[in-house]
Amino acid sequence: DAEITQSPRHKITETGRQVTLACHQTWNHNNMFWYRQDLGHGLRLIHYSYGVQDTNKGEVSDGYSVSRSNTEDLPLTLESAASSQTSVYFCASRVSRNTEAFFGQGTRLTVV
Amino acid sequence: GIQVEQSPPDLILQEGANSTLRCNFSDSVNNLQWFHQNPWGQLINLFYIPSGTKQNGRLSATTVATERYSLLYISSSQTTDSGVYFCAVEPNYGGATNKLIFGTGTLLAVQP
Repeated sequence: DAEITQSPRHKITETGRQVTLACHQTWNHNNMFWYRQDLGHGLRLIHYSYGVQDTNKGEVSDGYSVSRSNTEDLPLTLESAASSQTSVYFCASRVSRNTEAFFGQGTRLTVV
Repeated sequence: GIQVEQSPPDLILQEGANSTLRCNFSDSVNNLQWFHQNPWGQLINLFYIPSGTKQNGRLSATTVATERYSLLYISSSQTTDSGVYFCAVEPNYGGATNKLIFGTGTLLAVQP
């Protein structure tokens, strides 16, 4: 079955390290998104992509970057992890605008 | 930017009771989805409902886009309905299109 998967599911890293969270979808969806979820803030958009080689900043993009070299993957990189980036991260994808979005299982990241 | 507010913020029900959750949005939208985040953190798609009414078992949803609100009805609630319910909208203007903005969520606890 087609799906969207995130890895790892849990990660602990140290302040200042570079961390990459993976997101892979097999639906051939054009649009992909990264959100973070924190208590009291709900889900907030970090970065998104409309297609290969396209990336855009969301509302909380500082300290994060993404790249889209193929349709299936949108890895999220924390350039220098900070304690404020401890959160649960969700990846999502959909065919295009005005279509249903589907979410991965989430990655719980702890920065110590 | 668009504001998405959900009410009530918290709700406690006895098993078997019915409930209505509301999502208000401050501007016109192309797209609206309802999600259930279960106690394990997984985001489950409930409805893709830009307008009109849909039903799926004990759950139904209605979106009145012209009046900028959507309602999620849960009938004969079960303990497995517990979790957080989110609505997410895709604004219909300028640079805000092609991304989902999440509401504040309703935390539902169904007691046996």
